[in-house]
Amino acid sequence: DGGITQSPKYLFRKEGQNVTLSCEQNLNHDAMYWYRQDPGQGLRLIYYSQIVNDFQKGDIAEGYSVSREKKESFPLTVTSAQKNPTAFYLCASSISGVDTEAFFGQGTRLTVV
Amino acid sequence: GENVEQHPSTLSVQEGDSAVIKCTYSDSASNYFPWYKQELGKGPQLIIDIRSNVGEKKDQRIAVTLNKTAKHFSLHITETQPEDSAVYFCAATGANNLFFGTGTRLTVIP
Repeated sequence: DGGITQSPKYLFRKEGQNVTLSCEQNLNHDAMYWYRQDPGQGLRLIYYSQIVNDFQKGDIAEGYSVSREKKESFPLTVTSAQKNPTAFYLCASSISGVDTEAFFGQGTRLTVV
Repeated sequence: GENVEQHPSTLSVQEGDSAVIKCTYSDSASNYFPWYKQELGKGPQLIIDIRSNVGEKKDQRIAVTLNKTAKHFSLHITETQPEDSAVYFCAATGANNLFFGTGTRLTVIP
């Protein structure tokens, strides 16, 4: 089955630690995105990548980093510089740009303890 | 940048009734307006979308209308069913980004 897979589903992190969220897609999509979702709010863009080895900051990139070494993979690192990292993180991919259907993963719920 | 506002934040309807969710946007250059449905603990899923060269689009019980002049678009769900209960998000493109509304929690009462 084609799709987009995020892992893990739940993640707990101690304050001061970096943590990496995985996102893999087998849809052969060029574009991939990371969104953050907080209760009662819409999705906010953290980073996006239109092509391998290239990525751009979204609206709330501070405290996050990404890489895009392979077309299929777009991992997100939440660094200790992110002041309020507890949230639901969603990865998405689309054939090309933002004006094509985005397919979302099941999300990773990160909790800082 | 683009600003998308969505109303209402919660909506309860009786099964079989219609539901309408409205969104406004600020960027006149926006040209793509998708609607996503998100069930508890899952990622959003596209249910319908519309482009700026079209005023209305329908897919079975779901329809979307777009008024470019007024910069607003709406989602219409007819003959609602309990499985329609979820959070619905509208979105609009702007500056290489997809800007989302804050969501509407729809509850269909059997």
